[in-house]
Amino acid sequence: AQTVTQSQPEMSVQEAETVTLSCTYDTSESDYYLFWYKQPPSRQMILVIRQEAYKQQNATENRFSVNFQKAAKSFSLKISDSQLGDAAMYFCAYRSATSGTYKYIFGTGTRLKVLA
Amino acid sequence: DTAVSQTPKYLVTQMGNDKSIKCEQNLGHDTMYWYKQDSKKFLKIMFSYNNKELIINETVPNRFSPKSPDKAHLNLHINSLELGDSAVYFCASSLRGVSTGELFFGEGSRLTVL
Repeated sequence: AQTVTQSQPEMSVQEAETVTLSCTYDTSESDYYLFWYKQPPSRQMILVIRQEAYKQQNATENRFSVNFQKAAKSFSLKISDSQLGDAAMYFCAYRSATSGTYKYIFGTGTRLKVLA
Repeated sequence: DTAVSQTPKYLVTQMGNDKSIKCEQNLGHDTMYWYKQDSKKFLKIMFSYNNKELIINETVPNRFSPKSPDKAHLNLHINSLELGDSAVYFCASSLRGVSTGELFFGEGSRLTVL
């Protein structure tokens, strides 16, 4: 069974600085998707960034980028120029691209605090 | 227009009662999910339907019964509510087999059992 691990329960970053959130996963599949979701205090789950496993190029979305290391099964999120609005819970998620159930598996989350 | 909408947003009830949460999506997706987020923020999948067919049924008490009348709606009925059922329940949807693979969430329904 696939698992997703986020080893940092909480992280802090100074406004305008850069922070990296870690995520590792375990799977025997070769084709899958990885996601980072943000959950602010409003509790709405918002997609931050997405990576297809078959793509070697790391995904980027404005200030957000990932470091996808397929062999190491690592998928970290880098937030550059951190802003107060980035404060939230961040969840890493995995979904098989081939499994019939299309189950999305989430990590336990990392709470990001942004210090002014 | 709200893509995935859940009602009610907040629900406070007594132990032993029965309650339902409704979910609707207008994205044209064919797969819908129920997730439970506990007080520690852990997200756990409960059920998933694809075109009205139950495809994921995790280890959930029989008191929880999902129902999908059509692929745009997924409801969750909970019988004999217990204190441990207090949580935020998220409905979500996706389009199976599409390259984006993104999961779209509703705003969540916070259930408090007293």
